[in-house]
Amino acid sequence: NAGVMQNPRHLVRRRGQEARLRCSPMKGHSHVYWYRQLPEEGLKFMVYLQKENIIDESGMPKERFSAEFPKEGPSILRIQQVVRGDSAAYFCASSPPMGAWGNEQFFGPGTRLTVL
Amino acid sequence: GDSVTQMEGPVTLSEEACLTINCTYTATGYPSLFWYVQYPGEGLQLLLKATKADDKGSNKGFEATYRKETTSFHLEKGSVQVSDSAVYFCALSSTGNQFYFGTGTSLTVIP
Repeated sequence: NAGVMQNPRHLVRRRGQEARLRCSPMKGHSHVYWYRQLPEEGLKFMVYLQKENIIDESGMPKERFSAEFPKEGPSILRIQQVVRGDSAAYFCASSPPMGAWGNEQFFGPGTRLTVL
Repeated sequence: GDSVTQMEGPVTLSEEACLTINCTYTATGYPSLFWYVQYPGEGLQLLLKATKADDKGSNKGFEATYRKETTSFHLEKGSVQVSDSAVYFCALSSTGNQFYFGTGTSLTVIP
């Protein structure tokens, strides 16, 4: 059973460009979470999605950031008009439906975004 | 709201030394508690967890006990190895949806 997959692992963008980060959850997992890790800081929750639904986006910046988890395909975290402050590691995690194996989240290797 | 306070690092130990990384939490409900480990350039991996008071999670020689009376979940290992060098994150989850992470403690073990 492959783990959570994220791509690309490293992404370089110039200010004003768009960044698209992809996350494929573990097989059988229907819940996806996105976190951001700024240099020298812990992980900050951004958004929680189930298939075709955003459940909790309380950690998402109000502008330029959006996330989706379509019926088919990976979850996408999209950052429009990137700025230098968006440079960070973005981690995706997935979990099975609640009550299946408890509430453990399984993390991907992360995408390291660098904005020049 | 829910939160986790974790001992700040960095921590540097000699091989075979004892390790304790303190973690205390604030939660409105009855959270599950976790320790995750992050090796350089990688994502987080679950190290151990405890889902109710007095539970002890253990893995790879690490252990932590869920102490409701002191709202703590300190990570301990009796004899660290160079391969234990990593960043350790304490986390809690009350709802199963959102995790709250500490800021991480960097551990370096020198031979």
